[in-house]
Amino acid sequence: DQQVKQNSPSLSVQEGRISILNCDYTNSMFDYFLWYKKYPAEGPTFLISISSIKDKNEDGRFTVFLNKSAKHLSLHIVPSQPGDSAVYFCAAPGAGNMLTFGGGTRLMVKP
Amino acid sequence: NAGVTQTPKFQVLKTGQSMTLQCAQDMNHEYMSWYRQDPGMGLRLIHYSVGAGITDQGEVPNGYNVSRSTTEDFPLRLLSAAPSQTSVYFCASSPGQGSFSYTFGSGTRLTVV
Repeated sequence: DQQVKQNSPSLSVQEGRISILNCDYTNSMFDYFLWYKKYPAEGPTFLISISSIKDKNEDGRFTVFLNKSAKHLSLHIVPSQPGDSAVYFCAAPGAGNMLTFGGGTRLMVKP
Repeated sequence: NAGVTQTPKFQVLKTGQSMTLQCAQDMNHEYMSWYRQDPGMGLRLIHYSVGAGITDQGEVPNGYNVSRSTTEDFPLRLLSAAPSQTSVYFCASSPGQGSFSYTFGSGTRLTVV
């Protein structure tokens, strides 16, 4: 049973438009969430995070929104750039402070 | 500062062979962990360690062993490789309790034939 789910395996967006990546979770004990970005042949790198005491966190072009009642978070990228093309994972720390990951969404930003 | 170093980057094994995937970090991080990445499954936790001499199982530990004799190193052993272990393996480290600053290695792509 996946505790963190990303239901869209891929997303294609035009350069300059908004990209919205979604993530759902089932474990109500999760109180911190992270988004990682992964390029081919590289390890995941941290992008942005949010604590459950907030409903929004912004860092430049990247904003994460958290809806605790719906157990849903989303990552907004505005404006999207070709260099943003990557796989994005949402994750939450669970047992032992270790991360539980969603299945990932492959974002393709077309020039 | 090298961060998290994984070796080898690529490996092909025959079914039944054993091998060790190496992971070393130079950040004096307390926590280390191993994940495998499979298509559509994200990254799944295999084993983790919260300090030298302490290890625990993650979500998918079967067929793998770990040990943590030093803070820096956290090797992953495949005892008898199976085709189901074909995957990309990532090692990660973080400073410790209360820190969510995880650093990942660049991965080892393993194929078992």
